[in-house]
Amino acid sequence: GAGVSQTPSNKVTEKGKYVELRCDPISGHTALYWYRQSLGQGPEFLIYFQGTGAADDSGLPNDRFFAVRPEGSVSTLKIQRTERGDSAVYLCASSFSGSSYNEQFFGPGTRLTVL
Amino acid sequence: QKEVEQDPGPLSVPEGAIVSLNCTYSNSAFQYFMWYRQYSRKGPELLMYTYSSGNKEDGRFTAQVDKSSKYISLFIRDSQPSDSATYLCAMREDSGGSNYKLTFGKGTLLTVNP
Repeated sequence: GAGVSQTPSNKVTEKGKYVELRCDPISGHTALYWYRQSLGQGPEFLIYFQGTGAADDSGLPNDRFFAVRPEGSVSTLKIQRTERGDSAVYLCASSFSGSSYNEQFFGPGTRLTVL
Repeated sequence: QKEVEQDPGPLSVPEGAIVSLNCTYSNSAFQYFMWYRQYSRKGPELLMYTYSSGNKEDGRFTAQVDKSSKYISLFIRDSQPSDSATYLCAMREDSGGSNYKLTFGKGTLLTVNP
C-alpha cells in the first residue's frame, strides 16, 4: 500500500508568514510523529499523536508551533510568524500501536525555506 | 553533551570494503537501538533494530549493541555503491509497549566508490 505522504514537498515563505504542513500517515496507523531535520543534523522529535490527542509535545520549540490531528488520521503542523531559523526539513512518521516494538515509517519530508 | 553522538564523517570507501559505523549515547534508559538509511532528499528508512544488548545480522548488515559501554555499531560487508547514503543511529526508551519518540544521531555520510 501507499507509504506516508507529505505535502507540499517544498515550501518557500517569507519571514513572519504562517505556514501549514500536511502529513497523510499509512492507513491504520494510530501513532503519528513529527520530526525536524536541520542541515547536517539528525531528525529531532517535535510531537507525537496517539489517535487524535497529542501524547507528547515536549519537542515543540516554542508556542509558534502547533499541530493537530482532528480525526486521528491526517495531521497538520502549523507554524506562525516564521523565522529564518525555522528553515529545515519537516518529517512525519507513523506506526501501529500496541505491544513491543513498532517500526516508524517516515515520509519524504517537507523542505521549508524561510527567506 | 548530546544524548546520542555520531561522527558525521564523511566516510569514503572502495567497493567491497567492510564499513564500520558507530554511535555512543548517555541515556541508560535507552533499550531500542535502530539504524536508519537516508538517501538524499528522502525520508529515513529502517535498516535494523535491536532490543537491549547483543548482535543482529541481516544479509550484509550486522548491528551490535554494548549497553555496558553505551556503544552501538553497524557493520556493512562487501559494500556496494548503492549503499552510498547517510546512516542514522536512533534510540528510544522502553515505554511499556507504547510508541515513543526516537533520539537520533547526526548521521554519517557514506560514499562507496566503484
